[in-house]
Amino acid sequence: NAGVTQTPKFRILKIGQSMTLQCTQDMNHNYMYWYRQDPGMGLKLIYYSVGAGITDKGEVPNGYNVSRSTTEDFPLRLELAAPSQTSVYFCASSLPTSGNLDEQFFGPGTRLTVL
Amino acid sequence: QKEVEQDPGPLSVPEGAIVSLNCTYSNSAFQYFMWYRQYSRKGPELLMYTYSSGNKEDGRFTAQVDKSSKYISLFIRDSQPSDSATYLCAMVTGNQFYFGTGTSLTVIP
Repeated sequence: NAGVTQTPKFRILKIGQSMTLQCTQDMNHNYMYWYRQDPGMGLKLIYYSVGAGITDKGEVPNGYNVSRSTTEDFPLRLELAAPSQTSVYFCASSLPTSGNLDEQFFGPGTRLTVL
Repeated sequence: QKEVEQDPGPLSVPEGAIVSLNCTYSNSAFQYFMWYRQYSRKGPELLMYTYSSGNKEDGRFTAQVDKSSKYISLFIRDSQPSDSATYLCAMVTGNQFYFGTGTSLTVIP
């Protein structure tokens, strides 16, 4: 059981370039999330998905897009990279059950620098 | 006003000390209160959670929630160098999590 995996671990982009951050989970979780973590700012939710084919915006969605074609995968797309998108990106997944805590399991993160 | 406020520290204590980490919040709709631990260059991992006012103990860790004051705390007894990490509080309402900024803790041997 690999849990939540993210690729790449590190990436440097030039302004205006595009890229996709990959996230895969093998726990059959239906909820998946993308966060960004900036120094002194905590984790901010970018997008989340409650199941295949369903996505919704979080707190900071501008400049990003997501898709969820399978239960396992939840890629995050940056179309026109900007320096403000320099951050550490974390993917998480969870399996909500009625009456119980929805524990999120996090991936190891992708460190992105936009120059 | 931020939904969740957390003192970023950094906090440095000698081994064996009792550590107190705190968060305040403004949203009365929060249902769950959680503490995550994040080691350097790793993703956060859930340490403890609670959903009611009062204390919850797990080994050397105690989570405390005071809903009337909108205040939560994490206490670490007999702190160890392996406890050196960033501790994030998080609060949940509906499908969304709201995280504090994290407190960086270093336990000196």
